[in-house]
Amino acid sequence: QKEVEQDPGPLSVPEGAIVSLNCTYSNSAFQYFMWYRQYSRKGPELLMYTYSSGNKEDGRFTAQVDKSSKYISLFIRDSQPSDSATYLCAMSAVYSSASKIIFGSGTRLSIRP
Amino acid sequence: DGGITQSPKYLFRKEGQNVTLSCEQNLNHDAMYWYRQDPGQGLRLIYYSQIVNDFQKGDIAEGYSVSREKKESFPLTVTSAQKNPTAFYLCASSGDRGPTEAFFGQGTRLTVV
Repeated sequence: QKEVEQDPGPLSVPEGAIVSLNCTYSNSAFQYFMWYRQYSRKGPELLMYTYSSGNKEDGRFTAQVDKSSKYISLFIRDSQPSDSATYLCAMSAVYSSASKIIFGSGTRLSIRP
Repeated sequence: DGGITQSPKYLFRKEGQNVTLSCEQNLNHDAMYWYRQDPGQGLRLIYYSQIVNDFQKGDIAEGYSVSREKKESFPLTVTSAQKNPTAFYLCASSGDRGPTEAFFGQGTRLTVV
């Protein structure tokens, strides 16, 4: 079983829709939860992160973490064609000397004009 | 401008040859990482380094080697022992905020023929 599971999609929605992207994980030691956006043939860029459980909002993006269910989500409101990309969830547990970052497989998102 | 530079962007090698991918950062980050990304898959950790002259194997280290002689540099060598080396390779670094501020380079696409 992978430590982080993410539905690969592809997911196609019309412009203006609310998008929900999700990941599940098995390692209860994870404390930091990140979402990255990756355009084709480019390196991922950090969108936002949360520490432990709870919600975090940044503009049209909201990240949610439910540690009891080992489930995280990213919501995109008023989706735009420019949001079309692959979205990767990532997680990390803090150790004494290293912080491995484990990624999901990514969900490919397409916003139709 | 601060950032991470990977070179070259595209690399072609014959089967059986070793090849070294370059990664340089001027962000003054302590930690550096190498990931491999295959089509439709997420990022898999090859090696990571928390400080100079120290590095740890990730989940798929077999057939790869690294060095960390300088804080700014973390080159990855893909050896002939790597069974399936054709992939997109991504280098990342993170600083005081640990895994929540990992920055990625633009990647090197390695094709072995």
